[in-house]
Amino acid sequence: DTGVSQDPRHKITKRGQNVTFRCDPISEHNRLYWYRQTLGQGPEFLTYFQNEAQLEKSRLLSDRFSAERPKGSFSTLEIQRTEQGDSAMYLCASSGSRVQPQHFGDGTRLSIL
Amino acid sequence: DQQVKQNSPSLSVQEGRISILNCDYTNSMFDYFLWYKKYPAEGPTFLISISSIKDKNEDGRFTVFLNKSAKHLSLHIVPSQPGDSAVYFCAVIAGGTSYGKLTFGQGTILTVHP
Repeated sequence: DTGVSQDPRHKITKRGQNVTFRCDPISEHNRLYWYRQTLGQGPEFLTYFQNEAQLEKSRLLSDRFSAERPKGSFSTLEIQRTEQGDSAMYLCASSGSRVQPQHFGDGTRLSIL
Repeated sequence: DQQVKQNSPSLSVQEGRISILNCDYTNSMFDYFLWYKKYPAEGPTFLISISSIKDKNEDGRFTVFLNKSAKHLSLHIVPSQPGDSAVYFCAVIAGGTSYGKLTFGQGTILTVHP
């Protein structure tokens, strides 16, 4: 399977803890996107990488959030000092160009106790 | 400020009939439009897309129509099948210096009854 892979699929943690998610994009895709989806809403853009460069960040991405894509391959999204409102599905997508359809992983569901 | 709206939260259709899903947008700078399908516990799956220079694109049972003057996008599924039951999202990409980020509607739950 050469699709987008996300790990873990589900993360349960206590408020105030730090969490890190991983995304492995399709290998030939240089563009990588993170989105967040809450119940009853469509996915919302968080941040974008082209190769290893983080080129765009949403205002949704507070100071507690950080994302990296070392060497332009896999990416990590870290949330520090988690809050109740961080509970959501975090989706990763990759593509080869601006208008090439983005392929999504199955997401990481974050639950904050 | 919801730039992309899917005003029907749900749609129920009989197998074999046409399903029509609608989407409205506000920004005339959007230049690429897509439809995604999402099953529970899975990520969105790309269905079909259309650029702003066209008004129709077909792929098998799926046809997307774009009415730029009305800022309206629709997806037609003919004939509908029970396996089409899922949440459908329209998504748009802004032109210019956009890096291709998708702006999604809220989704429409399609149920196709046998």
